[in-house]
Amino acid sequence: KAGVTQTPRYLIKTRGQQVTLSCSPISGHRSVSWYQQTPGQGLQFLFEYFSETQRNKGNFPGRFSGRQFSNSRSEMNVSTLELGDSALYLCASSSGQGAKETQYFGPGTRLLVL
Amino acid sequence: QQQVKQSPQSLIVQKGGISIINCAYENTAFDYFPWYQQFPGKGPALLIAIRPDVSEKKEGRFTISFNKSAKQFSLHIMDSQPGDSATYFCAASYGAGTYKYIFGTGTRLKVLA
Repeated sequence: KAGVTQTPRYLIKTRGQQVTLSCSPISGHRSVSWYQQTPGQGLQFLFEYFSETQRNKGNFPGRFSGRQFSNSRSEMNVSTLELGDSALYLCASSSGQGAKETQYFGPGTRLLVL
Repeated sequence: QQQVKQSPQSLIVQKGGISIINCAYENTAFDYFPWYQQFPGKGPALLIAIRPDVSEKKEGRFTISFNKSAKQFSLHIMDSQPGDSATYFCAASYGAGTYKYIFGTGTRLKVLA
């Protein structure tokens, strides 16, 4: 099975712009979670989607949003970018059927905001 | 109460030595504690996980020790190898059907050859 894929892998934007990141989960997986990884804060949970519905949400401002499509692919959007949004954005997928299954992470999208 | 505190921030161990990384939590509702390993340029990968109903879980050279009363858990890497050099994250989650993991801040391990 192919792993979790994320596109693009690298992105440079300027303050005030918006950005859309994409995540394709492992085939058959219906749950996609998004995390922000920074050197100072580690991995912080953004949100989780299951069957096109946001099931859990972290403590990020409304500038961060996401959606999931019927094929389970997910996108994450950040509007009005700030310098502090520079980070590695990771998505993770799982089947979503059990409480404690393994989450499989993608390689991430590294976003640099100038 | 949602934090998971991880230490040390970085660790240098000689080849063949034991690497020990510690995590502590406050929320007693946490019921699943995975450890992830991350190599540069890669996403985290699940290494080993434990539930609070057991005190220890071993998989190969990797062992999780869990102390429910102290609300602490640790990862022991026996016979550490240069290939183990990576960043390790502990995490915690709770509740059925949720994938909201709370991660520690990570430990950068370097194993010297």
